[in-house]
Amino acid sequence: GENVGLHLPTLSVQEGDNSIINCAYSNSASDYFIWYKQESGKGPQFIIDIRSNMDKRQGQRVTVLLNKTVKHLSLQIAATQPGDSAVYFCAEGAGRRALTFGSGTRLQVQP
Amino acid sequence: NAGVMQNPRHLVRRRGQEARLRCSPMKGHSHVYWYRQLPEEGLKFMVYLQKENIIDESGMPKERFSAEFPKEGPSILRIQQVVRGDSAAYFCASSTDGNYGYTFGSGTRLTVV
Repeated sequence: GENVGLHLPTLSVQEGDNSIINCAYSNSASDYFIWYKQESGKGPQFIIDIRSNMDKRQGQRVTVLLNKTVKHLSLQIAATQPGDSAVYFCAEGAGRRALTFGSGTRLQVQP
Repeated sequence: NAGVMQNPRHLVRRRGQEARLRCSPMKGHSHVYWYRQLPEEGLKFMVYLQKENIIDESGMPKERFSAEFPKEGPSILRIQQVVRGDSAAYFCASSTDGNYGYTFGSGTRLTVV
């Protein structure tokens, strides 16, 4: 699909391992951060979000960490499964309704 | 709930033609957002609309592009006199209250030949 490009940074992991996908954001005024998963030919699918007054949030098998000092966001996926293979985008919001997306990381899970 | 519905899924237009992309938000959602995704890139915000109002069009190209969300019916993204550079995936999202927790549709892939 057009969203899985040849030049996207790629993270390859073995099934069952933990995955960490990193994202640097640019706007120090951003107060909301979100991770999306996008499979080939589909729209972005919400994974987890976090507000700027938090530094960690956990969901089912996923954890988001926010470091505002260095403007860094990470997504941790525990016990990665083949179904987790996709492109992952971080996005930030700063008061207005629009989100600014990062360029994406392709996650490949080897069985 | 059928989710956010976009049609067509694929659209091919010749240079100079018009493209009309439709988005039906989730039931009960009155806030609609359009984003564009070029190959190998993240989504780029285009426009945010509520029923009959454009709230934020800061991401819309100044010419050839327009969007509407009428009182009845789907939201329409219209691209006049398409050029090759308009080829992209166009995604619509909707929400109930204008906050960030919105849901995306599956997109329309526009190809200009």
